[in-house]
Amino acid sequence: GAVVSQHPSRVICKSGTSVKIECRSLDFQATTMFWYRQFPKQSLMLMATSNEGSKATYEQGVEKDKFLINHASLTLSTLTVTSAHPEDSSFYICSATRGQVMGYTFGSGTRLTVV
Amino acid sequence: DAKTTQPPSMDCAEGRAANLPCNHSTISGNEYVYWYRQIHSQGPQYIIHGLKNNETNEMASLIITEDRKSSTLILPHATLRDTAVYYCIVRAISGSARQLTFGSGTQLTVLP
Repeated sequence: GAVVSQHPSRVICKSGTSVKIECRSLDFQATTMFWYRQFPKQSLMLMATSNEGSKATYEQGVEKDKFLINHASLTLSTLTVTSAHPEDSSFYICSATRGQVMGYTFGSGTRLTVV
Repeated sequence: DAKTTQPPSMDCAEGRAANLPCNHSTISGNEYVYWYRQIHSQGPQYIIHGLKNNETNEMASLIITEDRKSSTLILPHATLRDTAVYYCIVRAISGSARQLTFGSGTQLTVLP
C-alpha cells in the first residue's frame, strides 16, 4: 500500500511553454502533498507544501506565479511550470504523507528538460 | 528539526553488511529518526524509522544509541541494488503535516 504515482516521468518542452506534472496518491487520501526539486548531484529542495482545497505554501525564493500548484482533491496535486526556461530543467518529485508517524511516500519523479 | 551529519560516501562489498552512521547530537525527545534512500533518478524510498528503540523490518535494522545522539542503519546483506544515496532525517511529529528536510546523505556503493 501507500503508492504515489507521478506523471510524466520525463518531459522535454520548448522554452516559453508550460508543463503540467501530476501527483496521485493511489490507495490513500493525502491531505498534504509536497513538491521538491533536485538539481544534478544535489539533494532534494522543498519547493512548496500543497494542502487539499487551499492555496499552496511556497518556500522562500520559489516563484508562486511560475510554479502553479493545485490540490483539488485528496488524491491529486498538480505542479505546472509556466513559461519554462532552460534553468527550470530539473528533477521534480512529489510526496504525500500517510500519517506523520508512518513517514512519507514519494513519487518516482519527473525529469524536465527545457530546450 | 535537529541537524544530522552523515559521511558523504561509503563502499561495501556485495553480500556483506552495510553500516551507515548518522549523527544527530541535538535531537529532541519528541523527534523521530527516519531513513530514506534514493536510487539514481528515482524518488526517495522509505526504509525505516524509530524513536528510541532499535527497529527492524524486511529492509533494514535501525540501531539508536541510548542517548539518541546517533544512529546506524544496517543493511544486513547488501546487494548491488542497494547502491543509492541514503538520507538520515530527524523530525518531530506535530499537529500538522510538515515536510521532510533532506541533507546531503551518504552515497553507498555496493561493490561486486
